[in-house]
Amino acid sequence: DTEVTQTPKHLVMGMTNKKSLKCEQHMGHRAMYWYKQKAKKPPELMFVYSYEKLSINESVPSRFSPECPNSSLLNLHLHALQPEDSALYLCASSQDSAPRAPQHFGDGTRLSIL
Amino acid sequence: KNEVEQSPQNLTAQEGEFITINCSYSVGISALHWLQQHPGGGIVSLFMLSSGKKKHGRLIATINIQEKHSSLHITASHPRDSAVYICAVGGNQFYFGTGTSLTVIP
Repeated sequence: DTEVTQTPKHLVMGMTNKKSLKCEQHMGHRAMYWYKQKAKKPPELMFVYSYEKLSINESVPSRFSPECPNSSLLNLHLHALQPEDSALYLCASSQDSAPRAPQHFGDGTRLSIL
Repeated sequence: KNEVEQSPQNLTAQEGEFITINCSYSVGISALHWLQQHPGGGIVSLFMLSSGKKKHGRLIATINIQEKHSSLHITASHPRDSAVYICAVGGNQFYFGTGTSLTVIP
């Protein structure tokens, strides 16, 4: 069991659907991250929230919309996705957003776009 | 060129063998992380290093800051060690290596 919980574990959606990925941590961490990982590739950073404010957006298309309702929760809203967006989406958290800080990862949501 | 390079990319070992995975980086860092990812997704942090050596069970991680190099060693390897091992460094930002896929055969 990980300390970062992601739901759902699997998601299949059509290109016109709207869905959300959720991430939750109760370790008191103040930085939370979304990563996208394609098969046999390392994770690619998408967004960083630090103290509930978006601090990094790595030029992610607007069809991905992050939200941080409070310090324990991080959502990723999906709309009008493309087949190439099929991937494993990983959430992580750390004490703060300093690159030194170890990140705790969730198990990921495996997303398939039809 | 990647900021973090790992070798080998793929590794197959017999159960019980001593395994070494290498990581070289080209950026200034404040810490280096070794991560483990099993098939199916979840990433587990194994070590965070800023100098010297750390040991946890059968796993040993070393870092040489001057040479910008780290190694992850697994002693007495076991099939459950089969996973992808990822080196990541934190400097001005977080950089991931491309991973080493390890298969340990019984």
